[in-house]
Amino acid sequence: EAQVTQNPRYLITVTGKKLTVTCSQNMNHEYMSWYRQDPGLGLRQIYYSMNVEVTDKGDVPEGYKVSRKEKRNFPLILESPSPNQTSLYFCASSLRQGANSPLHFGNGTRLTVT
Amino acid sequence: QQQVKQSPQSLIVQKGGISIINCAYENTAFDYFPWYQQFPGKGPALLIAIRPDVSEKKEGRFTISFNKSAKQFSLHIMDSQPGDSATYFCAATDSWGKLQFGAGTQVVVTP
Repeated sequence: EAQVTQNPRYLITVTGKKLTVTCSQNMNHEYMSWYRQDPGLGLRQIYYSMNVEVTDKGDVPEGYKVSRKEKRNFPLILESPSPNQTSLYFCASSLRQGANSPLHFGNGTRLTVT
Repeated sequence: QQQVKQSPQSLIVQKGGISIINCAYENTAFDYFPWYQQFPGKGPALLIAIRPDVSEKKEGRFTISFNKSAKQFSLHIMDSQPGDSATYFCAATDSWGKLQFGAGTQVVVTP
């Protein structure tokens, strides 16, 4: 089944404790992206990757890191999480960036930073 | 600052009624306007999309109306069903393919 898989689904952590949210897709997509979803703000892009070893900042990149060493994986790293990073996070992928390539989303990771 | 403004934040509609969600934008470089549907506990999924050279697109009970001069577009859900209860996001893509989302509308369809 074609899908984007995120882990974990739920995560509670404390301020400053490094964490990684994994994302994997099995559709051979070139483009991958991370979003955070907050009430009243919709989905805001954190980082994206056009292909292996090619990553760039989205609209809200502060406090986050990503890497794209393999085509299928695009982990999101929070080196020193803070309470304002409490949010619902989504990984998404598409064949390429552009209007003719709809985004496929994972089921989300709900992160709470205390 | 959100580049795509979406309203209302939430709406309640009776089964069989019409749900209408409106979006507006300023950036004339946007050239593709998708709508995503999100059920609780799931990620958003593409529902329907339109390009600005078309004023209306219909897929089943879902219709997008597009007004290029007003820079507005809307989603109409006809004969709304309880299974349509979800959060709906409008979005816009520029020629580089960068996607901007609206804030979302939570739709509740009562039996």
